[in-house]
Amino acid sequence: DAGVIQSPRHEVTEMGQEVTLRCKPISGHNSLFWYRQTMMRGLELLIYFNNNVPIDDSGMPEDRFSAKMPNASFSTLKIQPSEPRDSAVYFCASSPGQGGGNEKLFFGSGTQLSVL
Amino acid sequence: GQQVMQIPQYQHVQEGEDFTTYCNSSTTLSNIQWYKQRPGGHPVFLIQLVKSGEVKKQKRLTFQFGEAKKNSSLHITATQTTDVGTYFCAGPSTGNQFYFGTGTSLTVIP
Repeated sequence: DAGVIQSPRHEVTEMGQEVTLRCKPISGHNSLFWYRQTMMRGLELLIYFNNNVPIDDSGMPEDRFSAKMPNASFSTLKIQPSEPRDSAVYFCASSPGQGGGNEKLFFGSGTQLSVL
Repeated sequence: GQQVMQIPQYQHVQEGEDFTTYCNSSTTLSNIQWYKQRPGGHPVFLIQLVKSGEVKKQKRLTFQFGEAKKNSSLHITATQTTDVGTYFCAGPSTGNQFYFGTGTSLTVIP
């Protein structure tokens, strides 16, 4: 079975540029999560979708960040404009059910973002 | 807000020694999960604990959920170099989403 697929694996961009991270969840999974990982802040939940609908975006740092899930097999996380402090590893994860805080999360391999 | 803290932050052990990491929540948890992240990798689910006082074992790994469901521990017996990585606990928030602990980074010295 294919796991959660993220692209690109690495992204290097200059400050002010737009960055789009992509995620394909496991087929049949109903919930999708975007996490950000840094040394200083650890693993932070940014946003969570259930059945393609954003349920909780309270972790999105600011208006420069936006996330969409146009269908059950695809999600994007966009940063515009990007800043050096956005440099981190961004993980996408999916789970089979409603994401009610009691399900196993399956993580993608992550996108290492560097904003110069 | 809900916080999940782990100690220690870092642990270096000689191969063959035991290792324990502790997870403490500021609130009662309905359940707790543990994940392992290898260097350069992504978090991988290890186990979920649900019941007060629950103890589960996976080979050399022993997981425990506290009686008050506010703390948990992971104990590894006779560590091996394959145990290297960061171990995270994760608990559901009031909004029912998972928030990860600060993690314990384990280094095993051969």
